[in-house]
Amino acid sequence: DIQMTQSPSTLSASVGDKVTITCRASQSISSWLAWYQQKPGKAPKLLIYKASSLESGVPSRFSGSESGTEFTLTISSLQPDDFATYYCQQYNSFPYTFGQGTKLEIK
Amino acid sequence: QLQLQESGPGLVKPSETLSLTCTVSAGSISSSGYYWGWIRQTPGKGLEWIGNCYYSGSTYYNPSLKSRVTISVDASKNQFSLTLSSVTAADTAVYYCARLPRMLPFDYWGQGTLVTVSS
Repeated sequence: DIQMTQSPSTLSASVGDKVTITCRASQSISSWLAWYQQKPGKAPKLLIYKASSLESGVPSRFSGSESGTEFTLTISSLQPDDFATYYCQQYNSFPYTFGQGTKLEIK
Repeated sequence: QLQLQESGPGLVKPSETLSLTCTVSAGSISSSGYYWGWIRQTPGKGLEWIGNCYYSGSTYYNPSLKSRVTISVDASKNQFSLTLSSVTAADTAVYYCARLPRMLPFDYWGQGTLVTVSS
């Protein structure tokens, strides 16, 4: 199985901050990586697919990038609605696997 | 807008079989190019992909669960289902159904349903 390792596990930030979350794959997944946002009691919401493509309706302050097997989710200017948990997921090969999550908290 | 809704018992006894159904509305489960999947979430293991199905009946399962999982489609009812046999407390989780477009990740999710395994 491809292991997806996210860092950090928890991130404290303030409204207006720029934040970066990293996800590293244990082997090549090409660009078949997605980022999701999840709020308590809700299903994950797709933000980014194919490493850097923004899902329709997602604010442009969210962006994704890749460098080899390292992927990054960046939020350019945090808004109050952005405090949530973020997950990466590889869909390059079965079994699909997720990162363990990054909880973005208000500082 | 496409909607998915999970349904099924919220409590299952150990060693018994967990059965859930996902009803798709405002869209057809038989649409070409879309798979349908199950994912579960626990505090300990996080998000875990269970498996996918296509309206034709083809299926793909997580090897870690393959011996106990069956996913099936009922196109006439616009539903797909999950059965997980011989459950233990470790199968206690929130179970989600979701749509999986070809070459894309899960884009539409159900709200999730908590299934507790306990006697």
